[in-house]
Order: sequence, then C-alpha cells, then structure tokens
Amino acid sequence: DAGVTQSPTHLIKTRGQQVTLRCSPKSGHDTVSWYQQALGQGPQFIFQYYEEEERQRGNFPDRFSGHQFPNYSSELNVNALLLGDSALYLCASRRGRQAVWSYTFGSGTRLTVV
Amino acid sequence: EDQVTQSPEALRLQEGESSSLNCSYTVSGLRGLFWYRQDPGKGPEFLFTLYSAGEEKEKERLKATLTKKESFLHITAPKPEDSATYLCAVQANYGGATNKLIFGTGTLLAVQP
Repeated sequence: DAGVTQSPTHLIKTRGQQVTLRCSPKSGHDTVSWYQQALGQGPQFIFQYYEEEERQRGNFPDRFSGHQFPNYSSELNVNALLLGDSALYLCASRRGRQAVWSYTFGSGTRLTVV
Repeated sequence: EDQVTQSPEALRLQEGESSSLNCSYTVSGLRGLFWYRQDPGKGPEFLFTLYSAGEEKEKERLKATLTKKESFLHITAPKPEDSATYLCAVQANYGGATNKLIFGTGTLLAVQP
C-alpha cells in the first residue's frame, strides 16, 4: 500500500521564480495538508484541502497557493520565490476533514532557493 | 497564543540508558496530541495519538503519556536504531476548524552503542 507520494524530491530555483510541488495522498485518504519545515524547526502549517477547496490556512502570504484535484491529489504553488522559502515541504493526508485521525506524511520536497 | 515546547533540544544516550522526552503545550480545546519520529531527510512517521489526560500508549521501547499540560515520551533501553528527531504536535479546536497541527521544534535523540 503506497503511502503519500511527493514529487520532485529535490528542487533548486532562483529567487523570483515560481515553483509547483505535487502530492498524491495515501490510498483511501481524501484530505491533504501542506507544511513547511525549515532546517532545525518543526513543520509549519500552510493550508489544507478537502473536496477541492482550501479549508484552513496558516500564516503564509498569498504567494503560497494550492489546488486539489478530483482524484484527491494536490499541488502547492509558490510565486516570487524568496531565499527564506528554502525548506522541506511536506504533504500530509488523512481520511476525513474534522476527525482527529493521525496524518500520514510524505518524505517531502527539498526546495533550495538561490 | 497556542504553543508547543519540547525539551531537551538534543539528548545523547548510551545504548540501554532509559530516559524521557518532554512536550509541554498551551492550547485551547485540545483535540489530540501526536508523537512523530523523523529521520534525516524524511517526513515524520506517526507513533502515537493521545486524546485525554491520563491516557498512555506503548509501542516496543516507547511509551507516551499525557497530562493536562504536557506529554512525555519514555524510551526504555534504547537501541542505536532509535536515533532520530522526535516531534510532538497538537490538534486544537479553532472555532470549529480542527485541521492544523501545531508542532514543537523536536528533540534530536542520539543513542550510542
């Protein structure tokens, strides 16, 4: 049973560019959340998608946007990249939006902005 | 402001030397507290969910406990393969929205043979 799949695994971008990260949730999961983890820090919540809509958002600027597709997969887009956007971007999925179930995390995409 | 604090930041143990990691939290309306293990360059791996004060859960050499203000992750007779960063996270009730996890900064555990 495949878990959460993220692509690409590593990415290097130049300041000012745009990037798209992709996530396929675990089989049977319909809710996807995105987190940003800077080096030495805990993951920070970016936003969550359920039924193709953004349901809750953390303290991130509008440069961060997302999308969820009918097959529950999701994309994270970041525009006008800054050096401070360099981090590990994690996708987490679970079944159901409001329940207190454990999240399954992917291995992440390591984004480096130069 | 909701907050999760983990201590110590780093812990070095000898194989077989038991110890505990601490996670203190300040949130309104706790729905659940989660422990995750994270290996370098990997995503967090789920260990436990605790829902209410007094609850305990065990898995192999790990035991998690919960009070109204903090949680402990007890490691009994650790092995080198237990070396990892251990993350604590809480899910709280935000006016009906319970979606996000608030993480601590983690405890980096190194177990030497």
